[in-house]
Amino acid sequence: AQSVAQPEDQVNVAEGNPLTVKCTYSVSGNPYLFWYVQYPNRGLQFLLKYITGDNLVKGSYGFEAEFNKSQTSFHLKKPSALVSDSALYFCAVRGYSGYSTLTFGKGTMLLVSP
Amino acid sequence: GAVVSQHPSWVICKSGTSVKIECRSLDFQATTMFWYRQFPKQSLMLMATSNEGSKATYEQGVEKDKFLINHASLTLSTLTVTSAHPEDSSFYICSARDVGVGYGYTFGSGTRLTVV
Repeated sequence: AQSVAQPEDQVNVAEGNPLTVKCTYSVSGNPYLFWYVQYPNRGLQFLLKYITGDNLVKGSYGFEAEFNKSQTSFHLKKPSALVSDSALYFCAVRGYSGYSTLTFGKGTMLLVSP
Repeated sequence: GAVVSQHPSWVICKSGTSVKIECRSLDFQATTMFWYRQFPKQSLMLMATSNEGSKATYEQGVEKDKFLINHASLTLSTLTVTSAHPEDSSFYICSARDVGVGYGYTFGSGTRLTVV
């Protein structure tokens, strides 16, 4: 069975500082990895994905994530946080099988203070 | 990019009544859609996979008679919460597999259901 772990319930960072939201995964075979962001009472917005190729993936709103196969990690990063980045972030994984569904981590609340 | 429209955004209903939530793929055909439930400050729980023209596949522990799913066309899936009770109050989100997201998913904006 596939799974995702987001070890931090909440991450606090000051505006302008770099941020990291951690994610590790478990899946049979090679993974498809995703980060989504959710604002209150809204659906999920796609940020970025790793399918294959370069381990460093760049996505929307200045976010990036690094795929590390040996550590089975896919941490989300941003060099300089904005107050507007405050939201709930989900890491997700699915396997290569066409029947594989998306499995989410429990989410990490990011709070960026002015 | 692909858009998934979910309606209504919020609904309040009385106990014992039924509520229908619609999920539409606006600019692509979705043979498969997914329904999730999200409790406050928790992750998304997959309820069922909706397959166009066939029966939905429910996850373990999800009551298929309470949560009726219909996927009658390539652009529309509906979730009906039957005989709703306060414990059914939750945030429901649909999604569709979107090749444009690299084998990921595009999500609807969600429906906040409150049963009183």
